[in-house]
Amino acid sequence: SQQGEEDPQALSIQEGENATMNCSYKTSINNLQWYRQNSGRGLVHLILIRSNEREKHSGRLRVTLDTSKKSSSLLITASRAADTASYFCATDNNNNDMRFGAGTRLTVKP
Amino acid sequence: GAGVSQSPSNKVTEKGKDVELRCDPISGHTALYWYRQSLGQGLEFLIYFQGNSAPDKSGLPSDRFSAERTGGSVSTLTIQRTQQEDSAVYLCASSYSWGRNQPQHFGDGTRLSIL
Repeated sequence: SQQGEEDPQALSIQEGENATMNCSYKTSINNLQWYRQNSGRGLVHLILIRSNEREKHSGRLRVTLDTSKKSSSLLITASRAADTASYFCATDNNNNDMRFGAGTRLTVKP
Repeated sequence: GAGVSQSPSNKVTEKGKDVELRCDPISGHTALYWYRQSLGQGLEFLIYFQGNSAPDKSGLPSDRFSAERTGGSVSTLTIQRTQQEDSAVYLCASSYSWGRNQPQHFGDGTRLSIL
């Protein structure tokens, strides 16, 4: 069964704008990870945030985690056409297997 | 190789046939995972291996699905008596070790189509 649920399901923005995607989950976690998937390809790991962290940055990516609300957000700043992809959150719970959401399909228009 | 390799990249077969999907993880990665992704959907966890051992097989959809890993490296996912609902992309991932806080490295998947 899926654990994380991304919101929105689809997002379309203009190049240069910021994109924000949200993830909600149900059970306690050890960490939460964000992945990107280009069409027809496998997933690529973007960033991992541990349950005791609240915010993390990597280049144009900013991830927040609110364990009290069981939610996370991924912000991509100054988006580019190459950022067009599906973005998934994945939670690592005590079972040591990853549970992925259905993803947010991001389209960045040039 | 440099990344996770899966073969074949595409497989079309008739309903009722058996299929075998192969995953070659990154060298040195002890943990290996199989997922299934239906069109436009998220990933459905199937099974993971720590070394050659699969502690949790509960994610396999039915007894027609089985997986093995030998030598702590290559893994095969076998689907017997395939059904049309088995059509999906099967993704394999590996990580350096089993345990928490390990990012997974994915192959590009096998796209399976059952006619």
